[in-house]
Amino acid sequence: EDQVTQSPEALRLQEGESSSLNCSYTVSGLRGLFWYRQDPGKGPEFLFTLYSAGEEKEKERLKATLTKKESFLHITAPKPEDSATYLCAVQGPGNTGKLIFGQGTTLQVKP
Amino acid sequence: GAVVSQHPSWVICKSGTSVKIECRSLDFQATTMFWYRQFPKQSLMLMATSNEGSKATYEQGVEKDKFLINHASLTLSTLTVTSAHPEDSSFYICSAQYRGLNTGELFFGEGSRLTVL
Repeated sequence: EDQVTQSPEALRLQEGESSSLNCSYTVSGLRGLFWYRQDPGKGPEFLFTLYSAGEEKEKERLKATLTKKESFLHITAPKPEDSATYLCAVQGPGNTGKLIFGQGTTLQVKP
Repeated sequence: GAVVSQHPSWVICKSGTSVKIECRSLDFQATTMFWYRQFPKQSLMLMATSNEGSKATYEQGVEKDKFLINHASLTLSTLTVTSAHPEDSSFYICSAQYRGLNTGELFFGEGSRLTVL
């Protein structure tokens, strides 16, 4: 069964304190792994797509990496505006856009 | 970037009534739209896949007669929660996929919060 597990469930950081969020997955035939950001009461906002092990993507203070079993979202010198829930999702084989989401990591960055 | 609009953003209704939620892709054609449900502090759970001009495909455990989905055009899909009950209270989110682009880079709407009294 395809599954996505994120850890930790919640993370509190001081402004400037770098850290990483983990996304472990099991899927038969990964077509893509996606990171989204979700603010309270809002829909998810697309951040990154990773397709193959070893791939890395960067955007401002965020960097996503991918191995055959997991993905990391590295946050460098976070700011309070980075506070949000970060969702990881995988797309399995087949000609669809169906995503399987993890439960998310809620990040709080304190000034 | 691409914009997906949902309406209403929140709705309160009495138990037993039906509620319709609209999902529109504002600046692109979406062959496929997806409807998700999110309970508090939980992740998104796919309810159904909506393809323009054909019947929706529902995930296991989702009642198709209760959650009616219509995808009449390439820019509009609707979700109707029929005979809503308090347990249907949730955050409903739609997403749209670019026509002809088969990826998971979906564009999500802002969500619709349903509260059934």
